[in-house]
Parts: sequence; C-alpha cells; structure tokens
Amino acid sequence: GAGVSQSPSNKVTEKGKDVELRCDPISGHTALYWYRQSLGQGLEFLIYFQGNSAPDKSGLPSDRFSAERTGGSVSTLTIQRTQQEDSAVYLCASSFIGQPYEQYFGPGTRLTVT
Amino acid sequence: ILNVEQSPQSLHVQEGDSTNFTCSFPSSNFYALHWYRWETAKSPEALFVMTLNGDEKKKGRISATLNTKEGYSYLYIKGSQPEDSATYLCAFKGGSEKLVFGKGTKLTVNP
Repeated sequence: GAGVSQSPSNKVTEKGKDVELRCDPISGHTALYWYRQSLGQGLEFLIYFQGNSAPDKSGLPSDRFSAERTGGSVSTLTIQRTQQEDSAVYLCASSFIGQPYEQYFGPGTRLTVT
Repeated sequence: ILNVEQSPQSLHVQEGDSTNFTCSFPSSNFYALHWYRWETAKSPEALFVMTLNGDEKKKGRISATLNTKEGYSYLYIKGSQPEDSATYLCAFKGGSEKLVFGKGTKLTVNP
C-alpha cells in the first residue's frame, strides 16, 4: 500500500520568504507528526495531530512555524519569513494511536534557506 | 528536559563483524522505546517497538534488548553486511504521544 508521502523533496528558498511543506499520511492513520533534523542534531519533534483533538504544538520553535491538518488527512507545515537556521530535513510520520505503534515516516523535505 | 543518548556516534566495522550500540533514556515515566533504521535518501524504517522490561526482540540478524529500570537498550547486529550501513535511531515515548529521539549511531559496514 501507499506509504507516507511528502512534497517537495527539496526546497531552496531565500531568507525571509515563506514556505509550505506538505505531508500525505497513510490512509487510516489518525495520528500525524512533524519532525525536523538539523545538521548534527537528532530528530526534533515539532507538532502532533490526533484526530479532531487540538494539536500538540509544544515543539514548534517559534511563531513563524504553523501547521494544519485538513479533513484529518493531509497536513501542511508553513514556515514564515524563513531564516537560515530553519535549514533542515523536515520529516512527517503517521501512525495509529492508543498503543505504542510504530510511526511510519515519509522521505522528508530538505529545506535550504540561503 | 528528556534526554536520550546514543553511543557510539559512529561506528565502522568489517563485513561479517558483529556489533552493538546503546541507547540511554529516562527510567521514569517509561511507556515505549522505538528503534529505527535510517538509510541515506530513504525514510526512517521502524525496527522494533519495545514496552516491557527485559523485552528482547529479533528481526533477522538484528536484535534488541530493553532495561527500563536502568534506562538503556542495546541493539545488536550479527554478521554485519554492507546493506546494514545506516543510521540507527532510538526514540523514547513517555507520557505524551511524541517521541524523543537520540542523535543516532551511524554504522558503516565495509565489504
């Protein structure tokens, strides 16, 4: 079956521009997560969506970051007024909830802010 | 602040060698410990999800153990092959739904 997909795979943007990253989770997975990996760092949690509940935004690094999940499926992570420190690989994952289920990751979007 | 540590940071072994690496995590408020393999240019792939103290899981030549009381897990690879080359990530799940990842162990298996 189809896995988690993300687009674009690579994005180069100028400092100060806004970017949108898209994630299509596995059908039927009610939980969706965004992570990022900056150079030399581990995977950093950003935000978590579960069904219709309010998202856990505790990992968003600043108010320039926002995310939404429409119809309980596709999610978009938006970064406004990008900065060079936003350069990272942004990964999306989805899973079932209620048990310690494994998370299924997408291939990531590599964002480079010049 | 939850801290998940992995060691070593990187490892080079010869084909056929067996190897192991460590993940240390908080021993309190434990719910699950995940292991993932992340190959270059691919998605992280789940290897194991472990929940019980003393748990041992095996998938082919790869196995993992879990000690929740002292807060560590070992990942073992028997008879390493070049295709095992990847970054191995562990992730701790406590009281919330989010996973806290270590920085990973980068394994290179030389033919």
